[in-house]
Amino acid sequence: AQSVTQLGSHVSVSEGALVLLRCNYSSSVPPYLFWYVQYPNQGLQLLLKYTSAATLVKGINGFEAEFKKSETSFHLTKPSAHMSDAAEYFCAVTPSYSGAGSYQLTFGKGTKLSVIP
Amino acid sequence: KAGVTQTPRYLIKTRGQQVTLSCSPISGHRSVSWYQQTPGQGLQFLFEYFSETQRNKGNFPGRFSGRQFSNSRSEMNVSTLELGDSALYLCASSLDWDSGNTIYFGEGSWLTVV
Repeated sequence: AQSVTQLGSHVSVSEGALVLLRCNYSSSVPPYLFWYVQYPNQGLQLLLKYTSAATLVKGINGFEAEFKKSETSFHLTKPSAHMSDAAEYFCAVTPSYSGAGSYQLTFGKGTKLSVIP
Repeated sequence: KAGVTQTPRYLIKTRGQQVTLSCSPISGHRSVSWYQQTPGQGLQFLFEYFSETQRNKGNFPGRFSGRQFSNSRSEMNVSTLELGDSALYLCASSLDWDSGNTIYFGEGSWLTVV
């Protein structure tokens, strides 16, 4: 079974500082990986995804993530935080093959990002 | 193009009642999946449908059911509601799950059970 661990349920950064949200996955085969953002009282919006092409993935709003197979990680970064980045961020994984556990996303518990002016 | 549309957005039900939630996927998308989001359990997979067939089901009791119609629209039903069913129910759609196609989420249906 696949699983996702997000380190830190709450991260605070100053406006303009680096944003680093951590995600580690557990899977016997490199999966597809996603980062979603959720603003209060809204659904999930895709930030970026890794589907076995380039290991460094660029997403929307200046975010990017790097897939590191040796570390089973897919950390999300942004060089300079904006107040509008305050939200909850979810890392998710899905198998890159058809079979058991397919057709579903397995989510981490989420990391709430606060941006301090 | 229109996104994933979920109705109703907010609803309040009484314990023991049943509820039906509706989801209209993005045009052309044939895969629809449902998730439950609660503060305690986070985001949990309920089920996924493709071409009217359920391909996968999460670890939820039989009170939770769903279906997909020929136009790819989907409904989920929860019978004999319990207080613990209070949650945000999210619908997601995708072309299919091949090659990591993007999975788009709706705004969700907020269910409160009293």
